[in-house]
Amino acid sequence: GESVGLHLPTLSVQEGDNSIINCAYSNSASDYFIWYKQESGKGPQFIIDIRSNMDKRQGQRVTVLLNKTVKHLSLQIAATQPGDSAVYFCAEVTGNQFYFGTGTSLTVIP
Amino acid sequence: KAGVTQTPRYLIKTRGQQVTLSCSPISGHRSVSWYQQTPGQGLQFLFEYFSETQRNKGNFPGRFSGRQFSNSRSEMNVSTLELGDSALYLCASSLFPTGSSQPQHFGDGTRLSIL
Repeated sequence: GESVGLHLPTLSVQEGDNSIINCAYSNSASDYFIWYKQESGKGPQFIIDIRSNMDKRQGQRVTVLLNKTVKHLSLQIAATQPGDSAVYFCAEVTGNQFYFGTGTSLTVIP
Repeated sequence: KAGVTQTPRYLIKTRGQQVTLSCSPISGHRSVSWYQQTPGQGLQFLFEYFSETQRNKGNFPGRFSGRQFSNSRSEMNVSTLELGDSALYLCASSLFPTGSSQPQHFGDGTRLSIL
């Protein structure tokens, strides 16, 4: 699949392909990161999280990679399905506040 | 286990009015945060409450206020509404306050439209 950053707010992938959504964060002191999925008309839904002492974490069909050197976070979705179509947000937690990215809109083409 | 419940789902107001939005967190969650979501600005943090105390506040004018009750339910109030207050207002809850490496769980929001 294609990889995009927050500067490219949309991503289209073929059903069955893998998707990679990227996120750059700004604060090297951030110690916790989360990916959320937001479908139309709904609130953000927790997908997966990772602490700063890890560089990879896997869930069901999803993997989050954290590169602290370049302050980069990515979400990989395996075998993308139509139900994965949504806006995906990364969030970083610094101190006692969440900071959210602007989101990437993922469209899955049947 | 019921999720975060926000009421009402939709609200239409006119400029100058005030509005109160309600949020019931997941049972057992004591931290409640409020966010404003607009297409241009994304998710903007308003404030966080834990055990009835405001722990943190975002960069919004004093027209935006909130409170939390002893049962952890929270309300958000916006006075003297402006056209720019039209947005989706999201509430999120977690067991512990932000900073404890726990995710926030969101409700589906209240869509506020100002005419």
